[in-house]
Amino acid sequence: DGGITQSPKYLFRKEGQNVTLSCEQNLNHDAMYWYRQDPGQGLRLIYYSQIVNDFQKGDIAEGYSVSREKKESFPLTVTSAQKNPTAFYLCASTDGGGTEAFFGQGTRLTVV
Amino acid sequence: EDQVTQSPEALRLQEGESSSLNCSYTVSGLRGLFWYRQDPGKGPEFLFTLYSAGEEKEKERLKATLTKKESFLHITAPKPEDSATYLCAVNKGSTLGRLYFGRGTQLTVWP
Repeated sequence: DGGITQSPKYLFRKEGQNVTLSCEQNLNHDAMYWYRQDPGQGLRLIYYSQIVNDFQKGDIAEGYSVSREKKESFPLTVTSAQKNPTAFYLCASTDGGGTEAFFGQGTRLTVV
Repeated sequence: EDQVTQSPEALRLQEGESSSLNCSYTVSGLRGLFWYRQDPGKGPEFLFTLYSAGEEKEKERLKATLTKKESFLHITAPKPEDSATYLCAVNKGSTLGRLYFGRGTQLTVWP
């Protein structure tokens, strides 16, 4: 079945650590996105990529980094510069044609 | 500033009690309005896309409508399994696929 796989489902980060969230899709979509979801807030865009080896900052990119070396993969690194990383992180993809976005099942990151 | 506002924030319905959720938007150059359902701890699940004013789409007990300023998600005779958070999002077209989300409406349907 085609879809988006995020891993791990739960992740714990110690102060000062960098952690990487995985996102893989087998939908052959060109565009991929990372959103952050906090209680009582709408999803906010962190980074997006419309093509391999190219990506752009979203609205809240500070403290995060990404790469897009393969069409299928768009990992997100939460760096130690992100001061409030506890949140639910969602990866999505689209075919770039303005149609619906498909989402993964999310990664819940907690700082311990 | 572009905005997407959903109301109410929370809605409790008795099973069988029909109601509507609202999504108002002020973005320019709307390329599509999307409705998603999200269960706790899960990713959003796509429901509908609406592209132009006057358009309507239906799926089981749900019906989505669109005007030039807002969209409604009508829920007819809801069941407890319809309980979820319903998210509205818009695509402006400046970056195809990039969505601007409202904060969602948390729907609870009790037996």
